[in-house]
Formats: sequence, structure tokens, C-alpha cells
Amino acid sequence: AQTVTQSQPEMSVQEAETVTLSCTYDTSENNYYLFWYKQPPSRQMILVIRQEAYKQQNATENRFSVNFQKAAKSFSLKISDSQLGDTAMYFCAFMKSITGNQFYFGTGTSLTVIP
Amino acid sequence: EAQVTQNPRYLITVTGKKLTVTCSQNMNHEYMSWYRQDPGLGLRQIYYSMNVEVTDKGDVPEGYKVSRKEKRNFPLILESPSPNQTSLYFCASSLSGDFGSPLHFGNGTRLTVT
Repeated sequence: AQTVTQSQPEMSVQEAETVTLSCTYDTSENNYYLFWYKQPPSRQMILVIRQEAYKQQNATENRFSVNFQKAAKSFSLKISDSQLGDTAMYFCAFMKSITGNQFYFGTGTSLTVIP
Repeated sequence: EAQVTQNPRYLITVTGKKLTVTCSQNMNHEYMSWYRQDPGLGLRQIYYSMNVEVTDKGDVPEGYKVSRKEKRNFPLILESPSPNQTSLYFCASSLSGDFGSPLHFGNGTRLTVT
């Protein structure tokens, strides 16, 4: 079974600063996908970013970028120029490439952006 | 608007009283699934469906039932709810269950069983 570990239950960052959320995973698969989802207080789950394991280039979406280290099985999320609206729970998730059917989620990191 | 619609948003019930949480998507997605979210445990998959009439167990299926009679609907049924099923539930769908199709989530159902 795949496991996803988020070792930082809570983090805080000053507005406009940069913060990095960590995620590690355990798998024997070679091809897979990784995701970061954001859950603001409204509790809606929102896709932040997606990474394909066979692509060496790190995914970016505006202020959000990842540092994907396949050998180390690490997938951290960097948020630049943090905004108050970034305050949320962030979940890392793993999906196998074929017959993915199951997503494996980490336990989440609660991020607070301080004005 | 493309969306996954879950109802109700909040539900309080008593032990043993059967309930259904509805889920509907308007994106013609083949794959649908149910998750429960508990503090410190993240999201855990209850059941999933790759297509109409095809369902399978996830990691925590005990005490739950599902059905997929139509492509757009995937209700979650608790035939005899117990307090340990108090949780936040999410329905999600994706274009397919393969090749990195991201999940689209409903707004969640907060269930309390007393």
C-alpha cells in the first residue's frame, strides 16, 4: 500500500513571505501522479497543483510550485508571496498511473497566513 | 457550471436510523468516489466506482453502501449509522480513474450520529 506523510501538522507564515510544506510518500511504483489540494475554512477541496512522476520538470501554478525529488520520494509545495486567502489546510495526495482508482492522502498541514 | 453536488451539507441523526447522502456530477465523469475526513487522519476512501454498475471497496467500507445506477449519481447509504461514523464526508469525481485525472470534490457533508 502507498503511504503519504505530511510531518508538519501546523505552520504559519507572514503575509508576502514564502513558505514550504513538506510531503513524503512511499511506493514501489515507477509511474504515478502527485497532487496538492487546498481546503480553506469553507471546507471545499480545491486542486492546487499536479505533478507527473515521469516528468523531471517541477510543476508551477502562479505563486505555487513544487520541488519533486523522485529518488527521495519527496514532493514539497512552495507558496510564494503568501496571501491571507492562502490560509487553509493543505493535503498532499498520491495516485498510481494505471488503474489509479485510489487516491492516498496525507494527514494535512494547517497553514495560517499572518497579516 | 461544472460541479459535484452533495446533499445535505449538514446532517444530525441518531444511531440506527438509515440515511442517504446524495452526490451528483454534471461533467459526464466516469469515476466517482466517497471519502471521509477525520482530524489527524486525512481523507480515507470509502467506496469508488469506475463506471455505471461498477463499484468497489476503498480503505474503510465497513458500515457503508453505495450504488451507481446512473453515471451522474453516486449516493452513499448508511443503513444503521453509529457514532463512529460521525465525520466529514466528501464525494468526488474524475474523468477517469486513471492517468492522473484529478478529483473534483463536492462541498462536503458534516454528519453527526448521536
